[in-house]
Amino acid sequence: AQTVTQSQPEMSVQEAETVTLSCTYDTSESNYYLFWYKQPPSRQMILVIRQEAYKQQNATENRFSVNFQKAAKSFSLKISDSQLGDTAMYFCAFMKSSTGANSKLTFGKGITLSVRP
Amino acid sequence: GAVVSQHPSRVICKSGTSVKIECRSLDFQATTMFWYRQFPKQSLMLMATSNEGSKATYEQGVEKDKFLINHASLTLSTLTVTSAHPEDSSFYICSARRPIAGGGNEQFFGPGTRLTVL
Repeated sequence: AQTVTQSQPEMSVQEAETVTLSCTYDTSESNYYLFWYKQPPSRQMILVIRQEAYKQQNATENRFSVNFQKAAKSFSLKISDSQLGDTAMYFCAFMKSSTGANSKLTFGKGITLSVRP
Repeated sequence: GAVVSQHPSRVICKSGTSVKIECRSLDFQATTMFWYRQFPKQSLMLMATSNEGSKATYEQGVEKDKFLINHASLTLSTLTVTSAHPEDSSFYICSARRPIAGGGNEQFFGPGTRLTVL
């Protein structure tokens, strides 16, 4: 079974600064996907970024980028130029690459990020 | 991204009554949908996997007779909380799975339903 660990329950960052959210995972799979989801106070889950495990290049989406270390099973999220709207709970998630019933998300416990004005 | 709707967004009911929550994929067909439960400041807990045209697969510890799931079409899954009690009060979220071009899948989430049982 897969596990996803987010050991930091809360973080705070000053507006316009950079913050990194940590995530580690454990799996015996060789092909899989990793995700970061954002859940703002509205509680709507929003996909922030996705990484395919077979790709060595780290995924980026505007101010969001990941540091994917496959051997270390680490998948951290870097938010640059933090904005007040980034205040949310962030979840790291794992999904096997199969197309069958086992292709479902396994979530970490989440981290609450607060951006200070 | 794809759009998933959920209805109602909020529901308050009396203890002992049943409540139905609908989840719809608006712009794609989803053979597989998922139902989650979330407590404040906690992660999403998978309750069951809903498969179009077949029985749902429930996670360990989830009562299938209490949480009835029906996935009658490729765009609609429903969760019925039967004989609801105050301990069933929670935030319920659905998700629909869609294949990604190039391989793999992605899950798109509904906005959630807040259930309060009095």
